Amino acid sequence: AQSVTQLDSHVSVSEGTPVLLRCNYSSSYSPSLFWYVQHPNKGLQLLLKYTSAATLVKGINGFEAEFKKSETSFHLTKPSAHMSDAAEYFCVVSGINTNAGKSTFGDGTTLTVKP
Amino acid sequence: DADVTQTPRNRITKTGKRIMLECSQTKGHDRMYWYRQDPGLGLRLIYYSFDVKDINKGEISDGYSVSRQAQAKFSLSLESAIPNQTALYFCATSDRDIYGYTFGSGTRLTVV
Repeated sequence: AQSVTQLDSHVSVSEGTPVLLRCNYSSSYSPSLFWYVQHPNKGLQLLLKYTSAATLVKGINGFEAEFKKSETSFHLTKPSAHMSDAAEYFCVVSGINTNAGKSTFGDGTTLTVKP
Repeated sequence: DADVTQTPRNRITKTGKRIMLECSQTKGHDRMYWYRQDPGLGLRLIYYSFDVKDINKGEISDGYSVSRQAQAKFSLSLESAIPNQTALYFCATSDRDIYGYTFGSGTRLTVV
């Protein structure tokens, strides 16, 4: 069994300040973890993924996430927010030892960036 | 051209009508998926397919059916649409789940 919890449904930051979007997971297997971004009226785009290699994962657009097994967390961060980062973000867990179709999506976090 | 193309982009249909949403991909991936997105509920899996001969139900398959016509094509049908099927529908493909998904741009379906 696996699940993912995005701890904040909405996050608001000012442009130029750090971004933190929090995600906790549970998985019976060694998980693969992902963050996707969805801009308005667009599909989801893969930001970054963790698949049991380095625990600090760098993604596109300056985002990164750290896998912390002891805390079962995979929080997404960015040092300095841009207006273009305003979007919805989804954390996803997939069991590395399971068949396909077992990816579980979080409910999403809406990021607002204020000028 | 997009890697994953969904048609139509928007559709309004009446209760009881049959409707088909289509998805085609140029990624060469064997695995294809249909998800439904509702506000505040994330994405929920409707059906998925590992290859042309393999179709599997997801967590919310009731009221839906699918057809995998070719490796590149995976269509979703609502046999008799109802208003609570109003949602944003996404098709996705992958090589393996651990590599992540490529999503289409979505179909916004409204059932009135």
